[in-house]
Amino acid sequence: KAGVTQTPRYLIKTRGQQVTLSCSPISGHRSVSWYQQTPGQGLQFLFEYFSETQRNKGNFPGRFSGRQFSNSRSEMNVSTLELGDSALYLCASSTDRTFSPLHFGNGTRLTVT
Amino acid sequence: KQEVTQIPAALSVPEGENLVLNCSFTDSAIYNLQWFRQDPGKGLTSLLLIQSSQREQTSGRLNASLDKSSGRSTLYIAASQPGDSATYLCAVIGGSSNTGKLIFGQGTTLQVKP
Repeated sequence: KAGVTQTPRYLIKTRGQQVTLSCSPISGHRSVSWYQQTPGQGLQFLFEYFSETQRNKGNFPGRFSGRQFSNSRSEMNVSTLELGDSALYLCASSTDRTFSPLHFGNGTRLTVT
Repeated sequence: KQEVTQIPAALSVPEGENLVLNCSFTDSAIYNLQWFRQDPGKGLTSLLLIQSSQREQTSGRLNASLDKSSGRSTLYIAASQPGDSATYLCAVIGGSSNTGKLIFGQGTTLQVKP
């Protein structure tokens, strides 16, 4: 079974630009969640989607948004990039977030210059 | 607000030692607790998941325990190997005011020396 796939692996953007990251979950997994990882703040929850509906959202500004498609693939978008958005963005999937293990992708490393 | 703390932040041990990593959380109303491993530059690998009704889970040389009432979990690694070197993270989901967010600790970075 293929794991969680995130594309691209690396991105370099400049301040003010926007970026879209993609996540393909494990086949059969309907829950997809996104996390931001930085050395200072650690891993922080961004949002979670289940069957195309956002079920939960973390404490991030509205510049961070996401969506999930009918095939469970998910995208997250960050608009008007700031230097502080530089981070490793991780996507995780599960059959049901509450009771099942989360399986993570290898992440997208975003650098904002 | 749920907070998760991991102690120690870093640990260095010689190969073959048994070791314990600690995780504590402030709100005991959790659904489950999960232990992960992260290698440098990589994503997280799920090691063990303990449901709120369980006391422990075992997988190979790993054993995780959960004491909800005291807000603590431990990850026991038996006969450590250099390949166990990584950052270990615990995360909880649930809590009185947090029904769906996975809250992570800052992690314990383990180095096992040959």
